[in-house]
Amino acid sequence: GQNIDQPTEMTATEGAIVQINCTYQTSGFNGLFWYQQHAGEAPTFLSYNVLDGLEEKGRFSSFLSRSKGYSYLLLKELQMKDSASYLCAVLSGTASKLTFGTGTRLQVTL
Amino acid sequence: IAGITQAPTSQILAAGRRMTLRCTQDMRHNAMYWYRQDLGLGLRLIHYSNTAGTTGKGEVPDGYSVSRANTDDFPLTLASAVPSQTSVYFCASSSVSANNEQFFGPGTRLTVL
Repeated sequence: GQNIDQPTEMTATEGAIVQINCTYQTSGFNGLFWYQQHAGEAPTFLSYNVLDGLEEKGRFSSFLSRSKGYSYLLLKELQMKDSASYLCAVLSGTASKLTFGTGTRLQVTL
Repeated sequence: IAGITQAPTSQILAAGRRMTLRCTQDMRHNAMYWYRQDLGLGLRLIHYSNTAGTTGKGEVPDGYSVSRANTDDFPLTLASAVPSQTSVYFCASSSVSANNEQFFGPGTRLTVL
């Protein structure tokens, strides 16, 4: 089976930096995704890591350590529009199936 | 059509009724997926299809069926709806050749009474 853990809720201040952690246990690891989901909307793709290290994309960065079963999403220069849920998802097996964590609800405050 | 669409947007259904949720993509993606999203449980995979003509079971397939007659369409059918199937349903598609990034439809909010 698979197990993905991430914090349920986080709060951060506008302009600050926040790190959302994700730990996972899986067999046949093929990559890790981060998605953003605003309330009432569909998830949208943020990042994909398949090798160890940091992937940077503008204000968002994602890190992966396969040996530790660990990833984080780093959001810099937080804006109010970043208030959303952030979903960690692991791709595994030969059927290209994603398993999602329950998501971290981030609230950005003034 | 641009991307992936779902219909209906929302539906209230009496228990025991049959219901088909529609999903269509125009990106020529080979793989398609159906998820349900419930508060506190996150997105859970119901069924998937890696290519037209094939389907597979996900984490929570009971009470649901799918078909994949062509590349673009992937309908999800509830043969006899029950209140526990009240949820938000998302369809997604991906291309194996493009890092398997999944693109999601806007969702269908289904209430079974």
